[in-house]
Amino acid sequence: AQSVAQPEDQVNVAEGNPLTVKCTYSVSGNPYLFWYVQYPNRGLQFLLKYITGDNLVKGSYGFEAEFNKSQTSFHLKKPSALVSDSALYFCAVRDGSSSNTGKLIFGQGTTLQVKP
Amino acid sequence: KAGVTQTPRYLIKTRGQQVTLSCSPISGHRSVSWYQQTPGQGLQFLFEYFSETQRNKGNFPGRFSGRQFSNSRSEMNVSTLELGDSALYLCASSYFTGPLSSYEQYFGPGTRLTVT
Repeated sequence: AQSVAQPEDQVNVAEGNPLTVKCTYSVSGNPYLFWYVQYPNRGLQFLLKYITGDNLVKGSYGFEAEFNKSQTSFHLKKPSALVSDSALYFCAVRDGSSSNTGKLIFGQGTTLQVKP
Repeated sequence: KAGVTQTPRYLIKTRGQQVTLSCSPISGHRSVSWYQQTPGQGLQFLFEYFSETQRNKGNFPGRFSGRQFSNSRSEMNVSTLELGDSALYLCASSYFTGPLSSYEQYFGPGTRLTVT
């Protein structure tokens, strides 16, 4: 079964410190992995994706993610957190059970709280 | 380029009524997906359309239906509303065309449906 796990409901960091939001996945076939961010009363905003190639993927707003095939993980990182990064973050994987679908399977989300 | 638009943004309906939500994808995107977001269940896939054809369907009762028009705009309908249908309904569009496509999905702001 395809699944995504975000083991932390909330991550708290101080502004200026590095942040990591964790994600592990289980999917058949090659994983297509995504990170999205959601601000209150807004839809999801695309941050970055891993399809193939370099294990370190750079995305919007200074975020990056590290793909680790052996650990089936795709952790989101940022070297220096901003208060404005406080939001709900979702990891997602494209459903690999069918080759002809763009359906995304989402993790439960992690609330990132950055304190000044 | 204009983003994904969804109308209406907010809806209040009574149990037993039906509702239709609308989604206009980003210009040029032919794939539209719908997701339901609730605090308890998170983000769950409803359906996916491509070129007016339903390509994939999530595990929701038959009260949930959708369609896509020739201009790629999509609607979803929920009949005989139940209290548990209260949720944020998100539409996403993509360039996704087939198995080798790696395009990400772009989300609209959502329609907040409240069933009383």
